[in-house]
Amino acid sequence: GQNIDQPTEMTATEGAIVQINCTYQTSGFNGLFWYQQHAGEAPTFLSYNVLDGLEEKGRFSSFLSRSKGYSYLLLKELQMKDSASYLCAVRPDRGSTLGRLYFGRGTQLTVWP
Amino acid sequence: DSGVTQTPKHLITATGQRVTLRCSPRSGDLSVYWYQQSLDQGLQFLIQYYNGEERAKGNILERFSAQQFPDLHSELNLSSLELGDSALYFCASSPRTGGERGEQYFGPGTRLTVT
Repeated sequence: GQNIDQPTEMTATEGAIVQINCTYQTSGFNGLFWYQQHAGEAPTFLSYNVLDGLEEKGRFSSFLSRSKGYSYLLLKELQMKDSASYLCAVRPDRGSTLGRLYFGRGTQLTVWP
Repeated sequence: DSGVTQTPKHLITATGQRVTLRCSPRSGDLSVYWYQQSLDQGLQFLIQYYNGEERAKGNILERFSAQQFPDLHSELNLSSLELGDSALYFCASSPRTGGERGEQYFGPGTRLTVT
């Protein structure tokens, strides 16, 4: 089976930095994705890691340690619009036409003024 | 706007009925994925099609079926509906998978309510 864990809720204040952790145990590993989802809306792609290390993209960074089955999403200079659910997802399959994702339950982030 | 379209946006139906959800992937994307999102289960993978062929199955119930047509649009059929089938159903598409990044782009979803 696939097991992906992340905290249920987090809160932070505007302008601060927050780190959302994700641990995974999956049947295989071929990439880890972070998605942002506002209530009632579609998930939108934020970041992708397949090798160990940090990937930075503007205010968002994502880190991966494959040996530890661990990733985090770092959000800097928080804004009110960052209040959303953040979903960690693992792609377990290799192969050029296989891409299913297994998602964690999501971390609901609330940003306070 | 991800470029993935889904219809209808909302669907209300009764237990025991059958419904069809429709998805059009982004132009050029060959893979279509269906996911179910409910409050108690989170976002769960149902099934994937690639260029008309079924490629992977998740925890999809036998009452559910899907297909991808030659024009690459896909339909998810849900039959003998139960109250527990009430959920948001998302379709996603991606151009390639495997060695490339292959991120998925999600449609706006269909909210199904079974009464």
